[in-house]
Amino acid sequence: SQTIHQWPATLVQPVGSPLSLECTVEGTSNPNLYWYRQAAGRGLQLLFYSVGIGQISSEVPQNLSASRPQDRQFILSSKKLLLSDSGFYLCAWRPPGQGNGYTFGSGTRLTVV
Amino acid sequence: AQSVAQPEDQVNVAEGNPLTVKCTYSVSGNPYLFWYVQYPNRGLQFLLKYITGDNLVKGSYGFEAEFNKSQTSFHLKKPSALVSDSALYFCAVRTTAGKSTFGDGTTLTVKP
Repeated sequence: SQTIHQWPATLVQPVGSPLSLECTVEGTSNPNLYWYRQAAGRGLQLLFYSVGIGQISSEVPQNLSASRPQDRQFILSSKKLLLSDSGFYLCAWRPPGQGNGYTFGSGTRLTVV
Repeated sequence: AQSVAQPEDQVNVAEGNPLTVKCTYSVSGNPYLFWYVQYPNRGLQFLLKYITGDNLVKGSYGFEAEFNKSQTSFHLKKPSALVSDSALYFCAVRTTAGKSTFGDGTTLTVKP
């Protein structure tokens, strides 16, 4: 069966420090991968998505970047965190095809202080 | 542009009573519709989806949803609510263009 792993679960980082959040998927190949941010426990904002290795699409200009160095690995990064980067970050995957729902990771709670 | 509206921030029901969480959408073309549930400090979990076919779709944990094309709605329902159903529920729509849009979520509270 397919599983998605996301870590760390919580992170407290000072302003100006770098960030690296990692997400890996097991049990499938060539997944579509996504990074979402959820602010204040409500709506989801799509940050990045990837349909293949090295292919990254950015939905919203951010202080963030994403990379997909391997088929089932998706990394969210920042060189210098801002206070406004605080939030709940969710990685998700779904098989190619429009009728498939997302499977989400358990999320990372990032607090920038 | 496509959009999803969940008109109620909060829905409160008594345990054992039926529940409805509302969702309306606006898209060009045929929609693919989804419901997800989120428990505190966790990722979203897929509940059910409508792609085509029967307007009433059944999903996990006894939930079902009815697709109504004329009213552009996809309300989530359950005949008898449980306290453990208390969570944050999200409706989402996707079109053949592949872009997904989530609603802002509805907090469901089921009281014993």
